[in-house]
Formats: sequence, C-alpha cells, structure tokens
Amino acid sequence: AQSVTQPDIHITVSEGASLELRCNYSYGATPYLFWYVQSPGQGLQLLLKYFSGDTLVQGIKGFEAEFKRSQSSFNLRKPSVHWSDAAEYFCAGNAGNMLTFGGGTRLMVKP
Amino acid sequence: NAGVTQTPKFQVLKTGQSMTLQCAQDMNHNSMYWYRQDPGMGLRLIYYSASEGTTDKGEVPNGYNVSRLNKREFSLRLESAAPSQTSVYFCASSENLGGRAGGRGIQYFGAGTRLSVL
Repeated sequence: AQSVTQPDIHITVSEGASLELRCNYSYGATPYLFWYVQSPGQGLQLLLKYFSGDTLVQGIKGFEAEFKRSQSSFNLRKPSVHWSDAAEYFCAGNAGNMLTFGGGTRLMVKP
Repeated sequence: NAGVTQTPKFQVLKTGQSMTLQCAQDMNHNSMYWYRQDPGMGLRLIYYSASEGTTDKGEVPNGYNVSRLNKREFSLRLESAAPSQTSVYFCASSENLGGRAGGRGIQYFGAGTRLSVL
C-alpha cells in the first residue's frame, strides 16, 4: 500500500537553530512529493514540491527539501528557524491515484 | 483573491442530524477534493471530483455523499451524522495534471470546517 510516514510527531527547536523534518514514503515508483504547512486554525499552504530532476528543491519561506531515492526520503530543512515557523508540517505523495499525507509534525520554537 | 472558500467555519450537530458543507473555488480548477483531518492521521481523502460531472470515492467515503454542482462548487453531505464524523473538514482544488486525482496538480486548500457531532 502507498504510504507517507513522518516519524516525529513533535519537534522543538530554539529560534535561530537549524531544522530538519523527516519524511519517508513507500510507493512502487517515485511519487510526486509535497510539503505543506498548516498554521493554527488555517488551511494548508504549499511549501515546495518535487516532481523530477534536481533532488534539492527550494520552497517559500526559506525552506528546502532533499529527495533521496536510496532512502525513500524527502526531508524538509531550514538553516535558521524563526518564531513564525511554529506550525504543523505535512509531507504528502501522489503516485497518480490520490494525494496521501503523513501524520504531520508539530514544530514548536523556543525563544 | 478568495481561492477556496468553505462554509460554515464551525458546526455542532446532534447524532442523526444531516448537514451539507459547501465549497467554492474561483481559480477555474477542474479537480476538487474533500478531506477530513484527525489528530495524528494527517488528511484523508473522502471524495474527489476530477472534473465537472464526475465524482469518485477516496480513502474514507462511508457516511458521506458529494455533489459537483458546477465547475466552481463541490459540496459534502452528511445524511445522518455520527460522533465518529467529528473532525475538521477541508476542501481543496487543483488543476488536473494527470492521474485519477490531480497528479502533479498543486492542491489549494480552504480554511476548513470544524464539525462536532454530539
């Protein structure tokens, strides 16, 4: 079965520290991959996407993600976290039949 | 730009009551989707409509019906609400770029409807 897994339910980082959120996928072939962010009480906003080609993709708000086929991973990174990055982050994949979401990672930022 | 608009934002129902969640998009997208969001489970697809006049079941369709009223509007109906349907419901739309459910099309989400069934 197709699945997307986010191993970390909660992550806390200090403002200014670097961030990496993990995402693993399980598909027969490489799916289209997405990262979305959800602020409290809001809908989801797309941060970045990977379809093919360059395995390091840049997104909005200073985020980037790296696709690693050998590890079936698509981890999200940011060099320096801001307090406004506190939110829930969702990784998602689509192999053509539906968009499947991971369970989400809630990011908290310490001052 | 309004994007994807959902109404209502909040709703409380008693078990057995019915209601319809409304969704409209102004981006001229072909495909529209209904998801439910439950803690720790991410978003799960209830139904989607690849184009006007078509609807298909997603991962968790039981207890729901949908109507693609026109290209802009896609409604979700709960005929007899149950406590297990307490959730946050999101509507989304996208271009249809291949596959059965949007393919590479980026999905744009509404702000959600928070539903409680007592």
